[in-house]
Amino acid sequence: ETGVTQSPTHLIKTRGQQVTLRCSSQSGHNTVSWYQQALGQGPQFIFQYYREEENGRGNFPPRFSGLQFPNYSSELNVNALELDDSALYLCASSLTGLRTDTQYFGPGTRLTVL
Amino acid sequence: AQSVTQLGSHVSVSEGALVLLRCNYSSSVPPYLFWYVQYPNQGLQLLLKYTSAATLVKGINGFEAEFKKSETSFHLTKPSAHMSDAAEYFCAVSDDGSARQLTFGSGTQLTVLP
Repeated sequence: ETGVTQSPTHLIKTRGQQVTLRCSSQSGHNTVSWYQQALGQGPQFIFQYYREEENGRGNFPPRFSGLQFPNYSSELNVNALELDDSALYLCASSLTGLRTDTQYFGPGTRLTVL
Repeated sequence: AQSVTQLGSHVSVSEGALVLLRCNYSSSVPPYLFWYVQYPNQGLQLLLKYTSAATLVKGINGFEAEFKKSETSFHLTKPSAHMSDAAEYFCAVSDDGSARQLTFGSGTQLTVLP
């Protein structure tokens, strides 16, 4: 059983650019959530996908968007990058999306916006 | 809405000493609570979770946590600290909305002194 994987590991972009981050869920999981973790802070929920549909969204602007594919892998897209978007982006998958379900996290993508 | 407060952003203990990391939650519904650990430049690893079964929850690496409803607390303990326990620890509560996102505390950095 493979765990949650994310790519790329690190990324450097300039302000105003667009970025796509990728996540492969743990085998058998149909729910994926994305979190942003700024330096020195706890992760903040961006949005969740369940069976290819957005299932909830945190307090992030529309320039943060996502996709979930039939194989339950996922993308996070960020348009018009701002300096404050510099953070570790974490993807987490879970089996069914129930409250009691454990979310398994990937290693993250470190995004630096210059 | 749920929230989590972690008291003490930095905790230092000597090797072999008791580890106590504090977490208090706020929830309008019975909470489901989690402790995650994050090693430098890595994602989050689940230590343990409480989902309304036994109030004393045992996790990996010798950690345990006790759910105390009267105190709205879920403190993490380990009887004897090891150097390898040095990491950042996050307490999280599972949301009761349509998206089962996790709401995290701001984290506690644990330092283990030789």
